[in-house]
Amino acid sequence: QKEVEQDPGPLSVPEGAIVSLNCTYSNSAFQYFMWYRQYSRKGPELLMYTYSSGNKEDGRFTAQVDKSSKYISLFIRDSQPSDSATYLCAMSVDNNNDMRFGAGTRLTVKP
Amino acid sequence: NAGVTQTPKFRILKIGQSMTLQCTQDMNHNYMYWYRQDPGMGLKLIYYSVGAGITDKGEVPNGYNVSRSTTEDFPLRLELAAPSQTSVYFCASRPSAAGELFFGEGSRLTVL
Repeated sequence: QKEVEQDPGPLSVPEGAIVSLNCTYSNSAFQYFMWYRQYSRKGPELLMYTYSSGNKEDGRFTAQVDKSSKYISLFIRDSQPSDSATYLCAMSVDNNNDMRFGAGTRLTVKP
Repeated sequence: NAGVTQTPKFRILKIGQSMTLQCTQDMNHNYMYWYRQDPGMGLKLIYYSVGAGITDKGEVPNGYNVSRSTTEDFPLRLELAAPSQTSVYFCASRPSAAGELFFGEGSRLTVL
């Protein structure tokens, strides 16, 4: 079993749809949770960062962490074609160098 | 503002050849990292450095070496390239252990 599981998709939605991206994990010691966005042929860039359980909202993006279920989510409201990218979840025990990444979910938003 | 710069962007190697992937950052970040990204596998940490002269192994260090003689540069050396090292390599940096990771655009390596 992988330490971090993420459905690779691909996921295709119409413009304006609400998108839900998810990761599950096995290590209950993870406390720091991140979502990165990676455009084609580019490096990942940080989108959302949360600590422990709860929700965090930034514009059209909402990150949720449910530590009891070992499950994290990223919601994108009013999705735009510019949101078309691969979304990677990442997590770590301490805020240190040992970060574990999911395989990434490829999202396409069609105009 | 260049950020993290990686060279080369693409390279094809023959089995047994050696090469160095270059990484330089102009943000004066102490922490630098090398990851590899394989389809369906996510990013795996190869080596990292917390400052000039200090390096440490990550999750998948075998077949690679690094050095950190300056704050700006963190080259990754592949000795005796093998087909299993075919991957996309990303260099990243951040100002502290708690800071945001800034990634380069990647180096796509194929070993035939």
